[in-house]
Amino acid sequence: DAMVIQNPRYQVTQFGKPVTLSCSQTLNHNVMYWYQQKSSQAPKLLFHYYDKDFNNEADTPDNFQSRRPNTSFCFLDIRSPGLGDAAMYLCATSRDPVTYNEQFFGPGTRLTVL
Amino acid sequence: ILNVEQSPQSLHVQEGDSTNFTCSFPSSNFYALHWYRWETAKSPEALFVMTLNGDEKKKGRISATLNTKEGYSYLYIKGSQPEDSATYLCAFNAGNMLTFGGGTRLMVKP
Repeated sequence: DAMVIQNPRYQVTQFGKPVTLSCSQTLNHNVMYWYQQKSSQAPKLLFHYYDKDFNNEADTPDNFQSRRPNTSFCFLDIRSPGLGDAAMYLCATSRDPVTYNEQFFGPGTRLTVL
Repeated sequence: ILNVEQSPQSLHVQEGDSTNFTCSFPSSNFYALHWYRWETAKSPEALFVMTLNGDEKKKGRISATLNTKEGYSYLYIKGSQPEDSATYLCAFNAGNMLTFGGGTRLMVKP
């Protein structure tokens, strides 16, 4: 089945220790998104890639970076995690953002910062 | 900043009860309204994409209505089952990115 895969499902890191979260897709979609969801809050868009074009949301901290080496993979790098970065990180894909923008999600990576 | 709100935040019902919850969104620049179901440890799953004022959509025991003029959508579940326990998210599309509400967490007791 075509799908969106996130690894790892659970990640524990130490305060200030860089961490990378991974997302891959078999849908061959043009757009990949990263969302952050803190407890009982709305998922918040951090950034997205439209093909190779990177689009950062205005309020995404500089501590968060992303890479998309090819169509299938996208990575979220947190350079110096703080306690406030503990959250669920969701990856999603869509064919394009211009039509109804139906997005397909991975199961998320829950990040704990000690 | 787009304001998308869902109520209630959480809901406990007994098996067999019917239930409904609300998503409110801006009534201007409407393009589409999405509903997702997110079960614990799984991926959020698309339920409906609603695009026209007055839209009603149905999938099994779950249905949704849309009022774009007043900026709200209702999600109904008829005869709730334990497997309906999940967080239900709505997302507003003003023409490009999705803005999500905080979700309604539904727990159905057997």
